[in-house]
Amino acid sequence: QSVLTQPPSVSAAPGQKVTISCSGITSNIGNNYVSWYQQLPGTAPKLLIYDSDKRPSGIPDRFSGSQSGTSATLGVTGLQTGDEADYYCGTWDSSLSAGVFGGGTKLTVL
Amino acid sequence: QVQLVESGGGLVKSGGSLRLSCAASGFTFSEYYMSWIRQAPGKGLEWVSYISSSGSTIYYTDSVKGRITISRDNAKNSLFLQMNSLRAEDTAVYYCVRVLGTWGFDYWGQGTLVTVSS
Repeated sequence: QSVLTQPPSVSAAPGQKVTISCSGITSNIGNNYVSWYQQLPGTAPKLLIYDSDKRPSGIPDRFSGSQSGTSATLGVTGLQTGDEADYYCGTWDSSLSAGVFGGGTKLTVL
Repeated sequence: QVQLVESGGGLVKSGGSLRLSCAASGFTFSEYYMSWIRQAPGKGLEWVSYISSSGSTIYYTDSVKGRITISRDNAKNSLFLQMNSLRAEDTAVYYCVRVLGTWGFDYWGQGTLVTVSS
């Protein structure tokens, strides 16, 4: 059971927009920044968003992050077949004094 | 370019030990916090530990406390994970990662597989 809650799967058509939610509590998302990762099959995860809404260099602005209260959201616009992957949210938990991740969301581009 | 190369994984019996290493290059290693993250076969990501740039601040996830020790050698641009009293549930690919900003892991190694047999 993951500390952060993500939907197991989401899907949308090419060109459309999708959002992936990440739910936590005050001690994690409520008081700390969230990051988001994309993992293609057989590869290491790739950082998409850090400190809640910042994109590392090279990440297109089709990917966006937001955070409010004890929830965070990853948005992906202009969906492409290459976006099919597992997506994970993560943050620090101040009560656990440990990093935590969501269970992951599989994005299918129909 | 930034590179993180892990080594030291392998097959070990339950109760055994392994020492993972991560060779860093392409950036000023001593200026960055570093972390280990693992992924069991077919499962999600699990944060294991992190260490501050100087090595003075260290945290572990509860399931590894007392069994696993993170360390670094800034002179040799290297990160380590000493794993003792290994259990079947420690079986995973272990990634060496660089910390970006307050909370983000921007560079990942290729991972090294640790398999603990019972």
